[in-house]
Amino acid sequence: QSVLTQPPSVSGAPGQRVTISCTGSSSNIGAGYDVHWYQQLPGTAPKLLIYGNSNRPSGVPDRFSGSKSGTSASLAITGLQAEDEADYYCQSYDSSSFVVFGGGTKLTVL
Amino acid sequence: QVQLVESGGGVVQPGGSLRLSCAASGFTFSSYGMHWVRQAPGKGLEWVAFIRYDGSNKYYADSVKGRFTISRDNSKNTLYLQMNSLRAEDTAVYYCAKDSGVAAPPNAFDIWGQGTMVTVSS
Repeated sequence: QSVLTQPPSVSGAPGQRVTISCTGSSSNIGAGYDVHWYQQLPGTAPKLLIYGNSNRPSGVPDRFSGSKSGTSASLAITGLQAEDEADYYCQSYDSSSFVVFGGGTKLTVL
Repeated sequence: QVQLVESGGGVVQPGGSLRLSCAASGFTFSSYGMHWVRQAPGKGLEWVAFIRYDGSNKYYADSVKGRFTISRDNSKNTLYLQMNSLRAEDTAVYYCAKDSGVAAPPNAFDIWGQGTMVTVSS
């Protein structure tokens, strides 16, 4: 059971918009700590996708965006493409555990 | 270019020990905190340990506290993870990752290695 809760899977057709939620508590996201998102393509290492709730590293397409409100955060992907099919993880600081990850969400492009 | 390369993985019996290494290049290693993260087969990411840029502070997940030790040698640009009393549930790909260091740690993990597999089995 992960400290941060994500849906196990989401899906969408090419060109559509999907969102992935990440729900925490008052000891992590709700306390105001930043949320970061990672993309893990099949058979590869994770890659930083969004940092500081809503910032994109250089090279990440603007189709990816992040937001945070209260004890939750969300990752949105617009204009879905086949190459977006991957596992996505949220991460934050937790006052009890130091670093916590969500359980991961598998995105399927239909 | 900025790169992290792990090594030292392998097959070890339950109760055994293993030391992982992570060689850093392309950035000022001594200026950043570093993490170890693991991923059991078919499972999600699990944070393992963190060490500050100068080695002054270390943090561990409860699942490895007392068994694993994180350390670093800034003169060699290398991060280590000493793993003792290994259990079957420690079987995973182990990644080292660079803390982005934009604020008090932990921050986002902006660089990841390719991972090294550790299998604990008799």
